[in-house]
Amino acid sequence: GENVEQHPSTLSVQEGDSAVIKCTYSDSASNYFPWYKQELGKRPQLIIDIRSNVGEKKDQRIAVTLNKTAKHFSLHITETQPEDSAVYFCAASYYGGSQGNLIFGKGTKLSVKP
Amino acid sequence: NAGVMQNPRHLVRRRGQEARLRCSPMKGHSHVYWYRQLPEEGLKFMVYLQKENIIDESGMPKERFSAEFPKEGPSILRIQQVVRGDSAAYFCASSHHRGDTQYFGPGTRLTVL
Repeated sequence: GENVEQHPSTLSVQEGDSAVIKCTYSDSASNYFPWYKQELGKRPQLIIDIRSNVGEKKDQRIAVTLNKTAKHFSLHITETQPEDSAVYFCAASYYGGSQGNLIFGKGTKLSVKP
Repeated sequence: NAGVMQNPRHLVRRRGQEARLRCSPMKGHSHVYWYRQLPEEGLKFMVYLQKENIIDESGMPKERFSAEFPKEGPSILRIQQVVRGDSAAYFCASSHHRGDTQYFGPGTRLTVL
């Protein structure tokens, strides 16, 4: 089955700096890769996602890149702000198969210091 | 995604009791997924249901756990004879179609004493 590895587990940056979180996946059939942000005690919230037919997607300060050959994808946050502090999860799934569940990485705790 | 509702938000049970967790998907969504999150860990898939059908239960323990999504009403995750190791946050998510974006509910935090 699919396995998703996420690094680093913790990340501390200064406000205004960039943050990069990387994930690798094992199942080459996976074709949908969302990123969720979870604040303490809250629900995971989708911040951006990418499907395998594109290599990069951007939404304001957030971007995701996908390398299908290497089976890895990354989240890039530019001009970080204290409110970006949270745990970020990457996930992978196969859209179009009999299953629809997401396989999550273990999360990255991002701290943005003012 | 505020449309996915879960209740109760917090549930305390003693060992051996039953826990029932409810999930109402977003309006128009017929696909429901249950995930479990242990403290300081990621989300682990448990079960995927469509109206009146269990599509994939590969992540759900075979004993004590069951799930349903009836034609009318919310999806229910039922845990019988709870043990301390069942203490976790249980999240449900819903999507419009299989493989579409999944939107999460606020979760039910189960504590087993």
